[in-house]
Amino acid sequence: KAGVTQTPRYLIKTRGQQVTLSCSPISGHRSVSWYQQTPGQGLQFLFEYFSETQRNKGNFPGRFSGRQFSNSRSEMNVSTLELGDSALYLCASSLGGGRYEQFFGPGTRLTVL
Amino acid sequence: AQSVTQLGSHVSVSEGALVLLRCNYSSSVPPYLFWYVQYPNQGLQLLLKYTSAATLVKGINGFEAEFKKSETSFHLTKPSAHMSDAAEYFCAVSPSNDYKLSFGAGTTVTVRA
Repeated sequence: KAGVTQTPRYLIKTRGQQVTLSCSPISGHRSVSWYQQTPGQGLQFLFEYFSETQRNKGNFPGRFSGRQFSNSRSEMNVSTLELGDSALYLCASSLGGGRYEQFFGPGTRLTVL
Repeated sequence: AQSVTQLGSHVSVSEGALVLLRCNYSSSVPPYLFWYVQYPNQGLQLLLKYTSAATLVKGINGFEAEFKKSETSFHLTKPSAHMSDAAEYFCAVSPSNDYKLSFGAGTTVTVRA
């Protein structure tokens, strides 16, 4: 069974631009979560989608948004990029809530110049 | 709110020695607990999980963890370290009624030959 895939793997943007990251979950998984990883803040939860509905959202500004499609693929968008948005963005998929382990993709490394 | 504390940001062990990584959580009810490992430039890989079954959980690569409710701990151990165990390890908690993972700050393990 194929794992979680994320595209692109690396991205360089400048301040003020916007970016869209994509995540394809493991087949059969309907839950997709997004996390931001930085050296200073560690791993932080962004949001979680299940069957196209956002069920939970972390403490991030409205510039961070996401969506999930009917095939469970998910995208996240960051508008008006800031230098502090430079991070590894990780997507994870699972069968559902809490007790099910989340399987992580390799991440997208975003650099904002 | 759930929180996770990992004691020690860096641990150095000799090859063949015991690996012990400490994790404490705060929760009014026992949550679901996980240990993940991250190798450089990669996503997170699940080592093991606790979901209210056996308190001693065995995972991949010879790792195991013991859930101790009285101590609110979920420490990770491996009897004999291997060079390939050098990585960053994260403890994570998920409330039983929530859909997100809260991560500890991580512990970097180095293995000395």
